[in-house]
Amino acid sequence: SQQGEEDPQALSIQEGENATMNCSYKTSINNLQWYRQNSGRGLVHLILIRSNEREKHSGRLRVTLDTSKKSSSLLITASRAADTASYFCATSKNNNDMRFGAGTRLTVKP
Amino acid sequence: DVKVTQSSRYLVKRTGEKVFLECVQDMDHENMFWYRQDPGLGLRLIYFSYDVKMKEKGDIPEGYSVSREKKERFSLILESASTNQTSMYLCASSPTWDRDQAYNEQFFGPGTRLTVL
Repeated sequence: SQQGEEDPQALSIQEGENATMNCSYKTSINNLQWYRQNSGRGLVHLILIRSNEREKHSGRLRVTLDTSKKSSSLLITASRAADTASYFCATSKNNNDMRFGAGTRLTVKP
Repeated sequence: DVKVTQSSRYLVKRTGEKVFLECVQDMDHENMFWYRQDPGLGLRLIYFSYDVKMKEKGDIPEGYSVSREKKERFSLILESASTNQTSMYLCASSPTWDRDQAYNEQFFGPGTRLTVL
């Protein structure tokens, strides 16, 4: 299926450390997006990377995409306690076929 | 700012009741979506709509129906609620697919946590 799968399921780090989350998928895609969800809330879009891009930056976020391996990674540098949330990758090929993974639960300890 | 609102944050219903979940967006988006989120399963697409009065089934439409009479409003209906429909329901909207930019960011509401007793 197109649905992404995040790894690890849960990650716990100290404030100031970097956090890396991975996403794998099975079919060809047009773009891959990362979303963040604070506990019990809706999802917020973080960053989108297109299939012809290999790396993208936004503030403390760095996303890579390897279409040959069908995988992506999200790196959060210099993490803060406020980064504690669940992070989801979402893949899509067309307009209405976005599929989300089960997410990585990140805990950043102060 | 894009705003997607959902009618209730928390809802408790009884088995067999008809349940309406309402979603409204204020950005004139063509596309609207309903997902349910369960632990370990991520978000699963129930239904989506790409225009008024249009609807398409997602991955898990059984037990649900939808209505889109106006562009800004997308309703999810549980015809006869069951305990296995206890879940977090998330609504989202997005603008028309930009094929050149491959851009289809979705904007989410805060979610409705539904408990069916």
